[in-house]
Amino acid sequence: GENVEQHPSTLSVQEGDSAVIKCTYSDSASNYFPWYKQELGKGPQLIIDIRSNVGEKKDQRIAVTLNKTAKHFSLHITETQPEDSAVYFCAASTLNYGGSQGNLIFGKGTKLSVKP
Amino acid sequence: DVKVTQSSRYLVKRTGEKVFLECVQDMDHENMFWYRQDPGLGLRLIYFSYDVKMKEKGDIPEGYSVSREKKERFSLILESASTNQTSMYLCASNTGQFSGNTIYFGEGSWLTVV
Repeated sequence: GENVEQHPSTLSVQEGDSAVIKCTYSDSASNYFPWYKQELGKGPQLIIDIRSNVGEKKDQRIAVTLNKTAKHFSLHITETQPEDSAVYFCAASTLNYGGSQGNLIFGKGTKLSVKP
Repeated sequence: DVKVTQSSRYLVKRTGEKVFLECVQDMDHENMFWYRQDPGLGLRLIYFSYDVKMKEKGDIPEGYSVSREKKERFSLILESASTNQTSMYLCASNTGQFSGNTIYFGEGSWLTVV
């Protein structure tokens, strides 16, 4: 089955710097890669996702890149702010249109701390 | 906004007790999930359900069961709680048209078994 590795487990940056979190996956059939942000005391919330027909996707200060050949994808946060401090999870699954469901397999999470 | 509500945020139970964790979603989603979250282990899928009265085992179903009698409600049951089930439990849901639709999580239930 699918296995998702996420690095680093903790990341500390200064406010205004960029942060990069990387994930690798094992199942070449995976074609959907979401990223979730979990703030303290809350459930994870989707912040961005990418599908395998796209190499990069941006939404304001966050971007995700995907390299299907190497089977890795990354989350990039630019101009970090203290409110970006949270745990971030990557995940992978298969998209089966009109067919069976592919369950999300999550990475172990990255605790990002942004220091003012 | 989609809302996934977990009725109990913090519970303390004794070893051997039967524990019910309740989850309700208000978006008419077909799929519902129970995850367990532990430090350093990420989110692990316990059980999921694609439809009423239907359930499938996830990665770590041992010691747990589930019930889905109504579309909006998905319950996680610990038949005989043990200390190694002390954890944070997350309920989630999404539409079942095809996988890859956003999964919406509840706020979590912190369970301590003493």
